[in-house]
Amino acid sequence: EDQVTQSPEALRLQEGESSSLNCSYTVSGLRGLFWYRQDPGKGPEFLFTLYSAGEEKEKERLKATLTKKESFLHITAPKPEDSATYLCAVLWGSQGNLIFGKGTKLSVKP
Amino acid sequence: DAGVTQSPTHLIKTRGQHVTLRCSPISGHKSVSWYQQVLGQGPQFIFQYYEKEERGRGNFPDRFSARQFPNYSSELNVNALLLGDSALYLCASSLGLAGSYNEQFFGPGTRLTVL
Repeated sequence: EDQVTQSPEALRLQEGESSSLNCSYTVSGLRGLFWYRQDPGKGPEFLFTLYSAGEEKEKERLKATLTKKESFLHITAPKPEDSATYLCAVLWGSQGNLIFGKGTKLSVKP
Repeated sequence: DAGVTQSPTHLIKTRGQHVTLRCSPISGHKSVSWYQQVLGQGPQFIFQYYEKEERGRGNFPDRFSARQFPNYSSELNVNALLLGDSALYLCASSLGLAGSYNEQFFGPGTRLTVL
């Protein structure tokens, strides 16, 4: 059973067309939720950490929010350079490992 | 400042061989974690080391092993390679145990192909 589910699997946007990516989780005792950006063939690039429901963080055109069951990554007026796979991961339990979702592949067309 | 570095970048092996992958964490970081990422999936946790001790292990067979050195660099070893071991192997470092307020920063990965 997947503990971290991301939707949609793929998203195509026109430049300037705002949208949101979803990350839902079923683990209890969440210790943190992380968003990463990954370009093809490269390692994930850290974007945000959220620790408690109601928390929000912003970076340029990206804004991440957290509730008790899910997180959203809002992309405002995206540009082609925002095209990448966005990964969500949760940190839980006594171990310090991250559990990742499968990612959302975002394509932004000019 | 240098980020997490990994070597080699690419590696091609045949079934049954063994492989050693290397990782150098960000300066000052004492924790290193290893992940396996197959095409189209998110990274899957393999090991975490902190202060040269294993602090976590994912659901991988005993063919996978790792260690951390006094300078906090780390090696991942895989014995008796199988075709299914083909993947991008990622190393991540953090200041301490990847618990609260310790973000993990990833290296570029090592692309392993098993023929």
